[in-house]
Amino acid sequence: AQKVTQAQTEISVVEKEDVTLDCVYETRDTTYYLFWYKQPPSGELVFLIRRNSFDEQNEISGRYSWNFQKSTSSFNFTITASQVVDSAVYFCALSDPASTSYGKLTFGQGTILTVHP
Amino acid sequence: DGGITQSPKYLFRKEGQNVTLSCEQNLNHDAMYWYRQDPGQGLRLIYYSQIVNDFQKGDIAEGYSVSREKKESFPLTVTSAQKNPTAFYLCASSTRTGGYNEQFFGPGTRLTVL
Repeated sequence: AQKVTQAQTEISVVEKEDVTLDCVYETRDTTYYLFWYKQPPSGELVFLIRRNSFDEQNEISGRYSWNFQKSTSSFNFTITASQVVDSAVYFCALSDPASTSYGKLTFGQGTILTVHP
Repeated sequence: DGGITQSPKYLFRKEGQNVTLSCEQNLNHDAMYWYRQDPGQGLRLIYYSQIVNDFQKGDIAEGYSVSREKKESFPLTVTSAQKNPTAFYLCASSTRTGGYNEQFFGPGTRLTVL
């Protein structure tokens, strides 16, 4: 069975601090996809990144970076120089296309990030 | 603008009543999904549909029903059989099913049972 764990329920930082959101996953399949979504107070989930299991290159997009380590089954998300607008709930999700045809997403519990001015 | 619309944003229901949540997309996506979100929890899949006139149960389908008569529309009915329906409901769509496709989400409907 698939499982995604986001151990940090809530994180509070002051603006301009760097913050890392942890994500650990479990799957028995060798082919899978990992996602990060952001849920601002408006409620709508916003897609941030997708990573497939064969691509372990870290990715940077502006102030956002992602560290995928297959050896530790982790896909952590770092925000550099955080801003108040980064305040949201962040979800890590795992898709396992090998065992299902429709690409079911298994979500972590989410991490509430609050950035104080 | 392309996107997913959900209505209403807030919905109140009396116990024992059925209620239907609307989801419409103009992204020309084949696949559509319904999720339920409870406080402090991740999203759980209720139903999904890969094509018109076809849909499948997700992890928590009991007490819910759906239809997919048009590609753009995937309404969810919360029936009186759903024991604890108060939650935030999110609709999503993707170009195809398959794990590599990111899902695009609507703004959600917050349902409260009085």
